[in-house]
Amino acid sequence: QQQVKQSPQSLIVQKGGISIINCAYENTAFDYFPWYQQFPGKGPALLIAIRPDVSEKKEGRFTISFNKSAKQFSLHIMDSQPGDSATYFCAGANRDDKIIFGKGTRLHILP
Amino acid sequence: GAGVSQSPRYKVAKRGQDVALRCDPISGHVSLFWYQQALGQGPEFLTYFQNEAQLDKSGLPSDRFFAERPEGSVSTLKIQRTQQEDSAVYLCASSLGGEGNEQYFGPGTRLTVT
Repeated sequence: QQQVKQSPQSLIVQKGGISIINCAYENTAFDYFPWYQQFPGKGPALLIAIRPDVSEKKEGRFTISFNKSAKQFSLHIMDSQPGDSATYFCAGANRDDKIIFGKGTRLHILP
Repeated sequence: GAGVSQSPRYKVAKRGQDVALRCDPISGHVSLFWYQQALGQGPEFLTYFQNEAQLDKSGLPSDRFFAERPEGSVSTLKIQRTQQEDSAVYLCASSLGGEGNEQYFGPGTRLTVT
């Protein structure tokens, strides 16, 4: 049972464009929704996270939009840069509990 | 301070060998998690410690997998009689615990079983 579904699997965006990655979750008990960024050969690094009582969170060029009723959330990367090329994982979790990851989106920003 | 460290970074084992993977969490972090990441997939939960207590081992794929954290700091994931399907990156993460919830990941150990 895949509790967090992520799309697309891969994404190519021109430099300066907006990258959008979508996720849907099944477990309504999740109370924490992080996004992780992973470069080849490295462990995942927390990028930005949101709790379900908030509909949007912005940190620099990264924005999470959260729709609790639809059980969906998305990551928007504004002004995408070649350095943003990486694999992005959305996830759901309970407090201090295991993180359930999506399958990942490989993002490539064209220079 | 230093982040989560893992050793070895790469391990090649012949099928049937036992392996031990080490995780040094961030100092003071109460919670420690192990995840398995297959090629091209997201990390999948294996087991969770709060201090030295193993509170959840529901993700361990078989009884060949065993984890310990005897003094509530360093943790070891042991895989007995390795099989080819065990080939993956094994990630360790730690967090302050409680409501903090932010997990910091190590670089992982890439295990290849030949």
